[in-house]
Amino acid sequence: ETGVTQTPRHLVMGMTNKKSLKCEQHLGHNAMYWYKQSAKKPLELMFVYNFKEQTENNSVPSRFSPECPNSSHLFLHLHTLQPEDSALYLCASSQRDRGHSEQYFGPGTRLTVT
Amino acid sequence: EDQVTQSPEALRLQEGESSSLNCSYTVSGLRGLFWYRQDPGKGPEFLFTLYSAGEEKEKERLKATLTKKESFLHITAPKPEDSATYLCAVQASSSNDYKLSFGAGTTVTVRA
Repeated sequence: ETGVTQTPRHLVMGMTNKKSLKCEQHLGHNAMYWYKQSAKKPLELMFVYNFKEQTENNSVPSRFSPECPNSSHLFLHLHTLQPEDSALYLCASSQRDRGHSEQYFGPGTRLTVT
Repeated sequence: EDQVTQSPEALRLQEGESSSLNCSYTVSGLRGLFWYRQDPGKGPEFLFTLYSAGEEKEKERLKATLTKKESFLHITAPKPEDSATYLCAVQASSSNDYKLSFGAGTTVTVRA
């Protein structure tokens, strides 16, 4: 495993539900990311947190709300989602004080909005 | 805006049949180019980072190379377990957030 865990692995929710995705990294990294992966499309960066501070919000709708209480944990709170939000949501982490650093991904949460 | 294009979209190989995947990129100064492997229903697994033109890296049957405009991932004598989607991503030197821009991937199927 990569050292990045995500829960739940699968989630089915109605459009009026509220749920949260959780990510935890055990690599001692200082940056964490949320990506959305839809079929046949490139990974889309949603949010970036550096030292717990959000540094990127890639024009994501407000029905997605991130939370980063510390450098090891990242949440994505979901509410009033649309069917087109169904996708694989991936969390990643990296060590950003190197000049160039790879990101390590978790296994993802497969989200289905009904 | 950074752009990454991968080709072909899908590749079917016979076991032992070597081939190459292409990743063409446009970026305002390259900090790094990354290759990942992704199995169905799983997150991407890091393979290589390439930093400058002419650089090469190898891991088992995989070899990645880099020029100023593209990168190749060569698969030598593939086995069925090499079947996966291979993703390419670039990181611009101008990016303060170290974000990655990904291509859509090449899905490789190796038949026994």
